[in-house]
Amino acid sequence: DADVTQTPRNRITKTGKRIMLECSQTKGHDRMYWYRQDPGLGLRLIYYSFDVKDINKGEISDGYSVSRQAQAKFSLSLESAIPNQTALYFCATRTGESLNTEAFFGQGTRLTVV
Amino acid sequence: GQQLNQSPQSMFIQEGEDVSMNCTSSSIFNTWLWYKQDPGEGPVLLIALYKAGELTSNGRLTAQFGITRKDSFLNISASIPSDVGIYFCAGLRTYKYIFGTGTRLKVLA
Repeated sequence: DADVTQTPRNRITKTGKRIMLECSQTKGHDRMYWYRQDPGLGLRLIYYSFDVKDINKGEISDGYSVSRQAQAKFSLSLESAIPNQTALYFCATRTGESLNTEAFFGQGTRLTVV
Repeated sequence: GQQLNQSPQSMFIQEGEDVSMNCTSSSIFNTWLWYKQDPGEGPVLLIALYKAGELTSNGRLTAQFGITRKDSFLNISASIPSDVGIYFCAGLRTYKYIFGTGTRLKVLA
């Protein structure tokens, strides 16, 4: 089983619908991140969380919200989906130890808003 | 938002050739990382660099942390078909990763 699991893997939704993307991890990491990937733009940070009570906006948080339900779970919501939110979304985790810089990524959720 | 400038954007190479890609930033980073993304998968860490001037190898991969801390390069020697994918650089600053725009590598057998 993957250490970082994202569900669903693929989703097509209509404009205006609310949709939630879920991420769970078994690595025991404190830090969790949500990224969006668009062709030619790399990965851009949407939100990040350092523990259950800590939520921070990334560079492109408008139109998104998150919830850190537990240390192992970090969900991303689109309250009213729009077509330009069509993208590949990645969840990532990282230990809080400053010397260990590796982020572990999920397999991604491909979201299409029609 | 800030992103790192990564070049080239894409490249086709013949199997057995060496590959070089680089990443530049207008800001200083304390850590540089190189990730590879296979089709349909999330990025996976290849090499992490922690010190300006550091040169690190991982098999056929070699990466260097620029002396100014504003750039890094990744070399792949003797490329093979499974090297195909997207390579991302990332700088780590204040607990956040800033990613490059990616280099898409295609290897012709």
